Amino acid sequence: EDQVTQSPEALRLQEGESSSLNCSYTVSGLRGLFWYRQDPGKGPEFLFTLYSAGEEKEKERLKATLTKKESFLHITAPKPEDSATYLCAVQAAVQGAQKLVFGQGTRLTINP
Amino acid sequence: GAGVSQSPSNKVTEKGKDVELRCDPISGHTALYWYRQSLGQGLEFLIYFQGNSAPDKSGLPSDRFSAERTGGSVSTLTIQRTQQEDSAVYLCASSPGPNSGELFFGEGSRLTVL
Repeated sequence: EDQVTQSPEALRLQEGESSSLNCSYTVSGLRGLFWYRQDPGKGPEFLFTLYSAGEEKEKERLKATLTKKESFLHITAPKPEDSATYLCAVQAAVQGAQKLVFGQGTRLTINP
Repeated sequence: GAGVSQSPSNKVTEKGKDVELRCDPISGHTALYWYRQSLGQGLEFLIYFQGNSAPDKSGLPSDRFSAERTGGSVSTLTIQRTQQEDSAVYLCASSPGPNSGELFFGEGSRLTVL
């Protein structure tokens, strides 16, 4: 069964304090790994897709990386507006398996 | 531009009643997903529609749950004989096609079963 585990569950940082969020996964062949951001009371918003080990994607203060077992979301010099829950998901490379399997998320709080 | 629209945004019902939740996907998107999110939890897959193919119903938790998608566009999720454990936010998402992991989510329908 495909599984995604995210850590930590919650993280508090001071503005400007860089850190990383972890996403460990087991999947029967990886089609893609996805990062989403979710603000309170809203649906998740797509951030990145990673397809193969060694791949990296960047967007503003965020950088996502991928290995064969895990992905990291690095946040550099965060600002209060980066506060949100960050969700990781995987899609298996199995015929007909289109669903995304999500982790529980990391709730990130950036204090000014 | 129009995003994914869900209604109602909030629904309070009594245990044992039936409820219907509606999703209008982005125009032209052929894939449509339903997920459920309980308080403080991640997203639980319910069902997936792609074009005219048979839907993937593997995530529906019981036979009280059903969904349909009419004309390849609007979808309705129906929960019969609601139970308190059905209380959650029900999220709908659409994507341009199969194999795309870039899902566009609506804001969800919050269901409370008393």
